[in-house]
Amino acid sequence: GQQVMQIPQYQHVQEGEDFTTYCNSSTTLSNIQWYKQRPGGHPVFLIQLVKSGEVKKQKRLTFQFGEAKKNSSLHITATQTTDVGTYFCAGKLSFGAGTTVTVRA
Amino acid sequence: GAVVSQHPSWVICKSGTSVKIECRSLDFQATTMFWYRQFPKQSLMLMATSNEGSKATYEQGVEKDKFLINHASLTLSTLTVTSAHPEDSSFYICSALWGDTQYFGPGTRLTVL
Repeated sequence: GQQVMQIPQYQHVQEGEDFTTYCNSSTTLSNIQWYKQRPGGHPVFLIQLVKSGEVKKQKRLTFQFGEAKKNSSLHITATQTTDVGTYFCAGKLSFGAGTTVTVRA
Repeated sequence: GAVVSQHPSWVICKSGTSVKIECRSLDFQATTMFWYRQFPKQSLMLMATSNEGSKATYEQGVEKDKFLINHASLTLSTLTVTSAHPEDSSFYICSALWGDTQYFGPGTRLTVL
């Protein structure tokens, strides 16, 4: 069955630095979604990517869908303490393991 | 818009009892809802897809007789954990499909003693 792999599992970032989390699927995806789950909270939809090579931005977050529609990335610039949480990618209802982000001030 | 509620938010029960969890789409109709299970510090595992007016579709390894799903209306799906055991303790999250986007409920933390 389809598997969605996500790396890294943990990301400890200095406030103000940038980082990227990556998502890879074993099969081609029609679309991919990204969610953020704050500690103790539930997943909140961030964005959906549909087109090959698509790039979308939400303030300091940049989402990219690969040309082959089998991988995606989330890049956060100038990390803030509000970015703390676990970021999941999902394709066809299969969720990646998530990248848990912690920020040191 | 696109708000999904879950009730209860947490529940503690004794082994052998059954627990019902409700998932409601508050401001939209959802033909399709999903039930997930999440263990601490782990990802979401899809348990089943709930379709209004028809039987739920269960993922491999999920016992349909243990996790009863009913989607009787376009705004309500229920998950009943029957004869609960301590290993059923987990965080259960539902989501409702609106267009092609999932909107998640706040989750229900089940603890079975």
